[in-house]
Amino acid sequence: ELKVEQNPLFLSMQEGKNYTIYCNYSTTSDRLYWYRQDPGKSLESLFVLLSNGAVKQEGRLMASLDTKARLSTLHITAAVHDLSATYFCAVDIGSGSRLTFGEGTQLTVNP
Amino acid sequence: EPEVTQTPSHQVTQMGQEVILRCVPISNHLYFYWYRQILGQKVEFLVSFYNNEISEKSEIFDDQFSVERPDGSNFTLKIRSTKLEDSAMYFCASFRLAGVTDTQYFGPGTRLTVL
Repeated sequence: ELKVEQNPLFLSMQEGKNYTIYCNYSTTSDRLYWYRQDPGKSLESLFVLLSNGAVKQEGRLMASLDTKARLSTLHITAAVHDLSATYFCAVDIGSGSRLTFGEGTQLTVNP
Repeated sequence: EPEVTQTPSHQVTQMGQEVILRCVPISNHLYFYWYRQILGQKVEFLVSFYNNEISEKSEIFDDQFSVERPDGSNFTLKIRSTKLEDSAMYFCASFRLAGVTDTQYFGPGTRLTVL
């Protein structure tokens, strides 16, 4: 059974600081996704990482994938309040197959 | 930009009643999914649908659940006899095509409350 674990589960940080969210998964896969969820809302796709060493950046967020270590990171640079949300990583084992989600990291950025 | 739509946004029902949740996936997508999220918890896969049949289902998707694509646009999830533990947000998602570097796109969700 594929397991996906994120840490930390809760993260409270100050504006302007940097931090990293980690996502570990238990089986061989080179397909990893990051989603953002605002309270009571749907899941918004942030990044699609489809190969070892993939790195993608969008604004203050940067995601990377190490398939050998079965690890993805989501790095936040100079956090702003608007980044407050829950961030989920998800893994699938083939194009079109189910997504298995991590528990989510609830990020709060304080002024 | 095309998006996945879901109706209703909120459904309240009595235990034992049947509910049908509706989704309109993105029009050129071929794979369709239902996920659920119990309040404050992670997103769980229920079922995937491709080429007019179920391609994969989880252990949650028991005989009380069924899916249909009754026409060329709608994709429905039916729960025959709802239980209290079925209370959750239900998300529909769609995916364009295998082999394409893309992600699953999620609808806004239907919040199901079983009393």
